Amino acid sequence: GAVVSQHPSRVICKSGTSVKIECRSLDFQATTMFWYRQFPKKSLMLMATSNEGSKATYEQGVEKDKFLINHASLTLSTLTVTSAHPEDSSFYICSARDPWESGANYGYTFGSGTRLTVV
Amino acid sequence: LAKTTQPISMDSYEGQEVNITCSHNNIATNDYITWYQQFPSQGPRFIIQGYKTKVTNEVASLFIPADRKSSTLSLPRVSLSDTAVYYCLVGVQGNAGKSTFGDGTTLTVKP
Repeated sequence: GAVVSQHPSRVICKSGTSVKIECRSLDFQATTMFWYRQFPKKSLMLMATSNEGSKATYEQGVEKDKFLINHASLTLSTLTVTSAHPEDSSFYICSARDPWESGANYGYTFGSGTRLTVV
Repeated sequence: LAKTTQPISMDSYEGQEVNITCSHNNIATNDYITWYQQFPSQGPRFIIQGYKTKVTNEVASLFIPADRKSSTLSLPRVSLSDTAVYYCLVGVQGNAGKSTFGDGTTLTVKP
């Protein structure tokens, strides 16, 4: 089945620095990827839709200058948390779907997530 | 987007069948129902998807009544490793990325 790789799995950074998280579709091409944020014991919240070759679409309330998304190729989307602060500490997850996946498995494949801790 | 309602938590014992019901009263004609499983510090994992009636795969069954306003995920003979959060999503097939994650159901399987 489709595989989505996310890197790094965890990162600790100092307040004020920027952190880049990568999301790769390993065995398929994804024109669209999605980025989620999840706080402890809470559900996933969609942050933005990453579109290959064009600007990302951000959900209401998500600062686009804070969370920079780049989808430069059909297999890679990156999320950069700029000028990170402790309140940005969270679990970030990406997802994508193999457009050629057929049958009943029309679900999306999620990455393994990135635990960001800002100190 | 259709809103979903699930029980916050459920307890079960190893070897039992577990049924988790999700309410989605505002489901649209084109919407599919998808269930995901999430372990701590991992991304969600697709379990099963259906549109109506019953769908079965190697890990679960999904029962959807005729009015499609609810669905039930059935896990046969659960084990300790099935302890996880289970999410029910409703959305257009192929556009699950835009479906809203509800609060999910935390299933705890006890020995």
